Amino acid sequence: AQSVTQLDSQVPVFEEAPVELRCNYSSSVSVYLFWYVQYPNQGLQLLLKYLSGSTLVESINGFEAEFNKSQTSFHLRKPSVHISDTAEYFCAVSDSNSGYALNFGKGTSLLVTP
Amino acid sequence: EAGVVQSPRYKIIEKKQPVAFWCNPISGHNTLYWYRQNLGQGPELLIRYENEEAVDDSQLPKDRFSAERLKGVDSTLKIQPAELGDSAVYLCASSRGSGGYNEQFFGPGTRLTVL
Repeated sequence: AQSVTQLDSQVPVFEEAPVELRCNYSSSVSVYLFWYVQYPNQGLQLLLKYLSGSTLVESINGFEAEFNKSQTSFHLRKPSVHISDTAEYFCAVSDSNSGYALNFGKGTSLLVTP
Repeated sequence: EAGVVQSPRYKIIEKKQPVAFWCNPISGHNTLYWYRQNLGQGPELLIRYENEEAVDDSQLPKDRFSAERLKGVDSTLKIQPAELGDSAVYLCASSRGSGGYNEQFFGPGTRLTVL
């Protein structure tokens, strides 16, 4: 069975500082990896995804994540965060064994302060 | 393009009462998912539909939960009777297909509080 571990439940960071949100997964087959973001009082939105090809994927708002198969990781990074990045971030994995349903981690709360 | 629509947004009931949630997926999306998100946790799949067929309901507590997707469009999730532990946000998502390449779009959720 697959699983997803988000190692940090909360990450406080100052505005314009870099940030990394960690995600590790386990699966016996090839996986698809996702980061979703949930802003306060809003629904889940897809931030970025790895399906195949380049292991480095980027979002339109400056986040990036790198698929590392040997480390079974998909960490999310941003070189300089904004106040508006404050949100809950969920890492998710899907594979053929689960019918491609998403298996989510517990989430990391990113709090950006001035 | 309208997103996934869910109603109601909030529901407060007493334990042992029934409750129902409704979801209208994005037009043309054949695959529909119901997830439950407990406080401080990530969403967990309850049931997945391909058109009107429930193809994965292994995580649905069938003693009290039921779901239907008549005509393969909108869907209803029901709890009868509700228990205190059912308090959570119930999320509906849809995608064009079930393959991993198909992005899942989520609705805003229904926040259920059982007193």
